[in-house]
Amino acid sequence: SAVISQKPSRDICQRGTSLTIQCQVDSQVTMMFWYRQQPGQSLTLIATANQGSEATYESGFVIDKFPISRPNLTFSTLTVSNMSPEDSSIYLCSVDATGQSQETQYFGPGTRLLVL
Amino acid sequence: AQSVAQPEDQVNVAEGNPLTVKCTYSVSGNPYLFWYVQYPNRGLQFLLKYITGDNLVKGSYGFEAEFNKSQTSFHLKKPSALVSDSALYFCAVRDGPNDYKLSFGAGTTVTVRA
Repeated sequence: SAVISQKPSRDICQRGTSLTIQCQVDSQVTMMFWYRQQPGQSLTLIATANQGSEATYESGFVIDKFPISRPNLTFSTLTVSNMSPEDSSIYLCSVDATGQSQETQYFGPGTRLLVL
Repeated sequence: AQSVAQPEDQVNVAEGNPLTVKCTYSVSGNPYLFWYVQYPNRGLQFLLKYITGDNLVKGSYGFEAEFNKSQTSFHLKKPSALVSDSALYFCAVRDGPNDYKLSFGAGTTVTVRA
């Protein structure tokens, strides 16, 4: 399985500011995903990030609020822009290691964000 | 559209007793089913998956799950629970080989008492 790291592991931010979360994988992967887990809730897919193309956003999520970069096959960033307390969540990246449809998605440790 | 239901918010068992966490799913095509576990202040860890083949799949930490197509279920089981199994468990589904999107259930909190 892929080894995934995220930075920062947690942060406390003021409303109106932005935070960029980094996701690093120890091997080249085709597909990377960003999820949000709100307090006491399940995981919701924000977007899919493929190298060399724009991210694909799920319903309810927009690029202006959650811009994503995917500069190479081992790295991606998610920015949470103009934050409000409602953005307080755990943000997780995951990877589909080989791009094959049967491959399992493996998750990073998550970034715990608290917006005051 | 695909969906997953985990009917129990919480499951409480005594250590050494069998543990079952329930999951039912809905997909239009062939289901690819997964179980993940989340320990406090940790990310999601993959436990096991069903893609095709034997309906009983075995995974990490002694867990297993049984795929039941007629009941559209994929219940997670462990014959003898440990206190260290206390965690949040998520069932997830994707709609066959051409859909990479995972849909997660609401999660079930398992508490194993000593």
